[in-house]
Amino acid sequence: GAGVSQSPSNKVTEKGKDVELRCDPISGHTALYWYRQSLGQGLEFLIYFQGNSAPDKSGLPSDRFSAERTGGSVSTLTIQRTQQEDSAVYLCASSFIGGADGYTFGSGTRLTVV
Amino acid sequence: AQKVTQAQTEISVVEKEDVTLDCVYETRDTTYYLFWYKQPPSGELVFLIRRNSFDEQNEISGRYSWNFQKSTSSFNFTITASQVVDSAVYFCALIPSYTGGFKTIFGAGTRLFVKA
Repeated sequence: GAGVSQSPSNKVTEKGKDVELRCDPISGHTALYWYRQSLGQGLEFLIYFQGNSAPDKSGLPSDRFSAERTGGSVSTLTIQRTQQEDSAVYLCASSFIGGADGYTFGSGTRLTVV
Repeated sequence: AQKVTQAQTEISVVEKEDVTLDCVYETRDTTYYLFWYKQPPSGELVFLIRRNSFDEQNEISGRYSWNFQKSTSSFNFTITASQVVDSAVYFCALIPSYTGGFKTIFGAGTRLFVKA
């Protein structure tokens, strides 16, 4: 597609429920990134996929968080047993290899855990 | 350590004033990339500029200019004759080519308010 598409744009969930957030990157971008932005805060790195290489999961805050990328394209970020501190905007970005040309970000998914 | 520091949390200016957003970075890599992104109130981050560590030439794009100084590890961003539409959060960012694993490290951002 023309840009990075994320869905849903907003998600309200009850504490303890699982959620899935989807990211559809720009066609041809081999790298895909997930970041988290809490209210008024900077961007916290979560996970990075590059081609067929093993993902860099070093930013995932707990084992409740996981992500996959199918067919080198669409990615799903899953949060199990959501907690209130998971409330944030989850941003997906894609780029060509290495990201040196800059990232293209999606509009984000605003997750609210009540 | 790989780190980006934006010491200014919020800046408020009146339209037509010039404003400089500061950015200081730390990396042990000799090859790295620096970026500025803009996040307007609508929320979507937009890439503004990239510099690589071998190119210290300053750059000007319309009302925007960037001053990259390796000697002080700084990559400052100046908006000349600011406009209300410049109101946004601006993030400085770093990709350290080797030790950073190719993921971008973002600063905490500077929120710019431009008042009419």
